[in-house]
Amino acid sequence: QSVLTQPPSVSGAPGQRVLIPCSGSRTNIGAGYEVHWYQQLPGAAPKVLIYANDDRYSGVPDRFSGSRSGTSASLVITGLQGEDEAEYYCQSYDNSLSTWVFGGGTKLTVL
Amino acid sequence: QLQESGPGLVKPSETLSLSCDVSGYSVTKGYYWGWIRQSPGKGLEWIGSIYHNGITFYNPSFKSRVTISVDTSKNQFSLNLISVTAADTAVYYCARVGGAYADRTVLTGYCDYWGPGTLVTVSS
Repeated sequence: QSVLTQPPSVSGAPGQRVLIPCSGSRTNIGAGYEVHWYQQLPGAAPKVLIYANDDRYSGVPDRFSGSRSGTSASLVITGLQGEDEAEYYCQSYDNSLSTWVFGGGTKLTVL
Repeated sequence: QLQESGPGLVKPSETLSLSCDVSGYSVTKGYYWGWIRQSPGKGLEWIGSIYHNGITFYNPSFKSRVTISVDTSKNQFSLNLISVTAADTAVYYCARVGGAYADRTVLTGYCDYWGPGTLVTVSS
């Protein structure tokens, strides 16, 4: 069971908008620690998309955006494309566990 | 670029040893470097990170079993995990830590460059 909670799967049609939530607590996201988002294609290493809550990493399309509020964070993908089909993970720091923590991952299916 | 290397099969109770060769960038140039693993049962887990001067931060879940070291002459860093069990079977990634903030007890950041990963199976 992951410290950060993500839905196991989301889906959307090409061109649509999807939101992937990441729910934490007062010891991680709620404590003000930054949230980062990764995309992992099958058989590949994760790749950072969003860092520090809402900063897009170099080369990442502006269709990807992140936000943080309270004890939660979200990744939004607009204008869905087939190449976006992947697993997405959120990551932060937890001061109770004294470690980096990850969400369990959300599989995005493009219908 | 980062590239993991080491045995793909380790016997239970023995030591898992992996190295990460860094090319195109010096490990001494102001970044932390780390190890993350991914197993079907536990998802992504941060194991620990190291600075070029040897300062380390470890996940408390591993702290009694793990050592991360850096060899600046070889531009690489390494992971040693002792007393492994089947639960340590995973894909192990080495990575560079971007946006790091560190004080005496806390290291935060994210991984901006990753190796391709190496599968380590613990089995007799």
